[in-house]
Amino acid sequence: DTEVTQTPKHLVMGMTNKKSLKCEQHMGHRAMYWYKQKAKKPPELMFVYSYEKLSINESVPSRFSPECPNSSLLNLHLHALQPEDSALYLCASSLGRRMNTEAFFGQGTRLTVV
Amino acid sequence: GEDVEQSLFLSVREGDSSVINCTYTDSSSTYLYWYKQEPGAGLQLLTYIFSNMDMKQDQRLTVLLNKKDKHLSLRIADTQTGDSAIYFCAYNAGNNRKLIWGLGTSLAVNP
Repeated sequence: DTEVTQTPKHLVMGMTNKKSLKCEQHMGHRAMYWYKQKAKKPPELMFVYSYEKLSINESVPSRFSPECPNSSLLNLHLHALQPEDSALYLCASSLGRRMNTEAFFGQGTRLTVV
Repeated sequence: GEDVEQSLFLSVREGDSSVINCTYTDSSSTYLYWYKQEPGAGLQLLTYIFSNMDMKQDQRLTVLLNKKDKHLSLRIADTQTGDSAIYFCAYNAGNNRKLIWGLGTSLAVNP
């Protein structure tokens, strides 16, 4: 199983809503990542979790709140988002934090903020 | 600094070989990656090469690394319409080994 599963695939939310994105992997990877990707651009790193602890926060606004309940799950809680936050949100995992092996990506959640 | 350059577009005929090129600046990278992204989809790891290798072949894919010139290429043999996608070059860099990404090359395969 080399899959990273993300739900939901699509999400439309208003600027006052609270929603969560979910990510799951069962490869035994101990590093998990959230990326944001705008159309036809490379992904931008948001957060890195290593052994269930937040190790990198790329100065992401507090309206994005990550959570890692266990080594297989990663959530991204969304609150009071802006229309410019509309993007594809990608989760990834790798064996270790140093990304010196394969990093597998999920199919992403396409988020639209209205 | 950390920078990756790729040409933005490549168009080939079905059955021809495609070569996508990438140059990077950070010589401390240990792994270099090629990711494929089809429209509306996530990122698929195609292949990667360790920095002490010159070449890696995997079925229709050949990766060449010229570490002296900091040049990485991906050759796709017998290109098919299903290969149409954006191809991102990336490498890990820095103490945190973050992935540094190119802007992606959009490959169009014409029948």
